[in-house]
Amino acid sequence: DAGVIQSPRHEVTEMGQEVTLRCKPISGHNSLFWYRQTMMRGLELLIYFNNNVPIDDSGMPEDRFSAKMPNASFSTLKIQPSEPRDSAVYFCASSPDPSDRAEQFFGPGTRLTVL
Amino acid sequence: TQLLEQSPQFLSIQEGENLTVYCNSSSVFSSLQWYRQEPGEGPVLLVTVVTGGEVKKLKRLTFQFGDARKDSSLHITAAQPGDTGLYLCAGAYLRGSTLGRLYFGRGTQLTVWP
Repeated sequence: DAGVIQSPRHEVTEMGQEVTLRCKPISGHNSLFWYRQTMMRGLELLIYFNNNVPIDDSGMPEDRFSAKMPNASFSTLKIQPSEPRDSAVYFCASSPDPSDRAEQFFGPGTRLTVL
Repeated sequence: TQLLEQSPQFLSIQEGENLTVYCNSSSVFSSLQWYRQEPGEGPVLLVTVVTGGEVKKLKRLTFQFGDARKDSSLHITAAQPGDTGLYLCAGAYLRGSTLGRLYFGRGTQLTVWP
């Protein structure tokens, strides 16, 4: 299996531009998670989906952030408009089922820099 | 406020030394996981502990879940440069509304020098 696939791996954009991050979870996994990692705040959960349905989006910083999961094999995280404080590494992770013991499999991350 | 506190935040040691890192909370978890993250990559699961007092060993790594399921420790014997990385603990609750969600600590950055 190819694992969780994220694109792009690196994104540099200017303040005010729209940014779209993409994720393909592991086939057959029912849960998908979007995280943001910074030195200051560590690894923060932004939103997660079970069976393509958003379960908890309380970690989404503000209305500029939105996430969709139109089908079981694809999800997007969009930032519009982007700001310099959004600079971080964004990870997508998937797990087989919504269990308290399920392993989360992380993608390689997208390093976002907003100038 | 972080639900899980990890200490120390940074640890720099020589090859061959032993070390212990800690993960503490005031909350009771149904399970706790430890992940290791290397530069430029996502975290990778090392172990899951589910029973209070449980001890699991993975080669030179020993993981323990506290009796009250509020804390955990990771002990590494004879550390090697390949152990270098960010060690993250993550707790989970057995609750319907948050089932499947992990609450991550901020991690311990370990550097092992040859």
